[in-house]
Amino acid sequence: GAGVSQSPRYKVAKRGQDVALRCDPISGHVSLFWYQQALGQGPEFLTYFQNEAQLDKSGLPSDRFFAERPEGSVSTLKIQRTQQEDSAVYLCASSPRQGEHYGYTFGSGTRLTVV
Amino acid sequence: ILNVEQSPQSLHVQEGDSTNFTCSFPSSNFYALHWYRWETAKSPEALFVMTLNGDEKKKGRISATLNTKEGYSYLYIKGSQPEDSATYLCAFWEVNTGFQKLVFGTGTRLLVSP
Repeated sequence: GAGVSQSPRYKVAKRGQDVALRCDPISGHVSLFWYQQALGQGPEFLTYFQNEAQLDKSGLPSDRFFAERPEGSVSTLKIQRTQQEDSAVYLCASSPRQGEHYGYTFGSGTRLTVV
Repeated sequence: ILNVEQSPQSLHVQEGDSTNFTCSFPSSNFYALHWYRWETAKSPEALFVMTLNGDEKKKGRISATLNTKEGYSYLYIKGSQPEDSATYLCAFWEVNTGFQKLVFGTGTRLLVSP
């Protein structure tokens, strides 16, 4: 596709509910990243995929967070038993490959509100 | 924990004013510094990728400089326009035991009034 697509754009979840956030990266982009941006903060790294392999999940805040990219294209970030502190904008980004020279192309984000 | 700091946190200028903001990052183990612009309700957009000490990059009225030895980058906007209103994020490329990723600052929120 022309850009990185994320859905849904907005999600309101009741505390304890499971949610799934989808990211459709640019076709052919090897690297895919998930970031979480809480109000007033910069984006915080959650996890990184190279093709279908999840190479770094050091930023996932708890075992309630799970991400996958089974065929090396679309990725899903799942949050189980949502808590209020999970309320944030979740950003997905892709780049042609891993490396400091490659800028990220971001999606518009999913704004999750847990009530 | 790697710290990337941006200042000021927010800025309100009048149309036509020139402005600049700062990004501070660790001066050791430097690989790259990225700048992004994030307009409300849109996706963050890459502005510059800077890798060499003394680098200067320019895109229209926006330019950036890089000092890796002292660990700072400046972003300049000449003759600000209302459409420049956005959050400007800088990000440091962190390399740690084989894993690499961008570490973002908290951003500078710019509002340009007509």
